[in-house]
Amino acid sequence: QVQLVQSGAEVKKPGASVKVSCQASGYTFSDYGISWVRQAPGQGLEWMGWIATYNDKTIYAQNFQGRVAMTADTSTNTAYMELRSLRSDDTAVYYCARDQAMIDDWGQGTLVTVSS
Amino acid sequence: QSVLTQPPSASGTPGQRVTISCSGSGSNIGSNTVNWFQQLPGTAPKLLINSNNERPSGVPDRVSGSKSGTSASLAISGLQSEDEADYYCAAWDDSLNGWVFGGGTKLTVL
Repeated sequence: QVQLVQSGAEVKKPGASVKVSCQASGYTFSDYGISWVRQAPGQGLEWMGWIATYNDKTIYAQNFQGRVAMTADTSTNTAYMELRSLRSDDTAVYYCARDQAMIDDWGQGTLVTVSS
Repeated sequence: QSVLTQPPSASGTPGQRVTISCSGSGSNIGSNTVNWFQQLPGTAPKLLINSNNERPSGVPDRVSGSKSGTSASLAISGLQSEDEADYYCAAWDDSLNGWVFGGGTKLTVL
């Protein structure tokens, strides 16, 4: 079965960077893209961007342009999302999700807390 | 402010039918299919409906979706306590070149 397993919770100071990983199994990794979606405490879902795992093409949401980088390693079936210049309002649960014209399976989420 | 508009809350008693609406525009729902996600408390979202009205394997047939123009709806009949969750609609937006979500609807089973 499809599984997306994300890295553990992180606590970061304002201005720092965070890199979250998402290891996929149960399907051919390079056949599907990966989207990243975040959810601030008590809030809704916000799409951050997408990466085509077979050629590293990326599409980033305007809100994150210049501050986010998504990469993929087909040798380990792992996708990564790095967010820079963290602010307190970046505190959220970050999800990876399998996405090939449709978001279907999701990772368990990674809580990133930004606090001084 | 979400691009897609959903009511913040909905409710029903066990056995009832409830519907949740999702309103968008020509660049998202008007041009592309709608997906619905269910998020139980403290868990990741789960795909409930894709391509407007298709149920993934394992989703009961008392759950259905529809789309008309720039709006979509999710219907759950035979309401059960386990349906108590947050529900989100989503569609690709051609103008923004990305996925857009509704703000979410909290469904309470009374």
